[in-house]
Amino acid sequence: AQSVAQPEDQVNVAEGNPLTVKCTYSVSGNPYLFWYVQYPNRGLQFLLKYITGDNLVKGSYGFEAEFNKSQTSFHLKKPSALVSDSALYFCAVRDMGSGNTPLVFGKGTRLSVIA
Amino acid sequence: DTGVSQDPRHKITKRGQNVTFRCDPISEHNRLYWYRQTLGQGPEFLTYFQNEAQLEKSRLLSDRFSAERPKGSFSTLEIQRTEQGDSAMYLCASSFTGGAGTGELFFGEGSRLTVL
Repeated sequence: AQSVAQPEDQVNVAEGNPLTVKCTYSVSGNPYLFWYVQYPNRGLQFLLKYITGDNLVKGSYGFEAEFNKSQTSFHLKKPSALVSDSALYFCAVRDMGSGNTPLVFGKGTRLSVIA
Repeated sequence: DTGVSQDPRHKITKRGQNVTFRCDPISEHNRLYWYRQTLGQGPEFLTYFQNEAQLEKSRLLSDRFSAERPKGSFSTLEIQRTEQGDSAMYLCASSFTGGAGTGELFFGEGSRLTVL
């Protein structure tokens, strides 16, 4: 079975500081990994994905994530946080070998960027 | 707007009533998913379709829940005899699989259900 853990319910960071939102995963094979962002009363918006290749993936709004196979992690990062980045962030995984299984999401991490 | 659209955005109903949600996916997407999200939780998978075929259903999908995608385009999710525990945001997502598609999901804005 595949699963995702987001160990922090809440992350607080000052505007202009770097931010990291943590994610670890568990799959039986190789993973497809995704990050989504959700603003209040809205659906989820796709940020970035790791499929294969370069371990550092760049996505929307200046976000990036680093795939680390040995640590089974896919942490989301941004060099300089903005107040507008405040939202709920979800990590998701699918087993690459399974083909048809749906994405499994973590519980989410609430990011609060303080001016 | 060529994104995923859901209707209604909000529904308040009394316990025991039936409700139906509609989802119109991105037109070229062949897969359509339903997820449920409760407060403080991530989206939980309910069911998905490839074209008109319903390929997988979660054990979360009780007998009171039924989903259809009759012509491989829009989908409906019906909940019969609603219970207060059904109160949640129901999210629809679509994706394209095949060719170089990697199947990331594109979500609608969700339909929030409140059962009184």
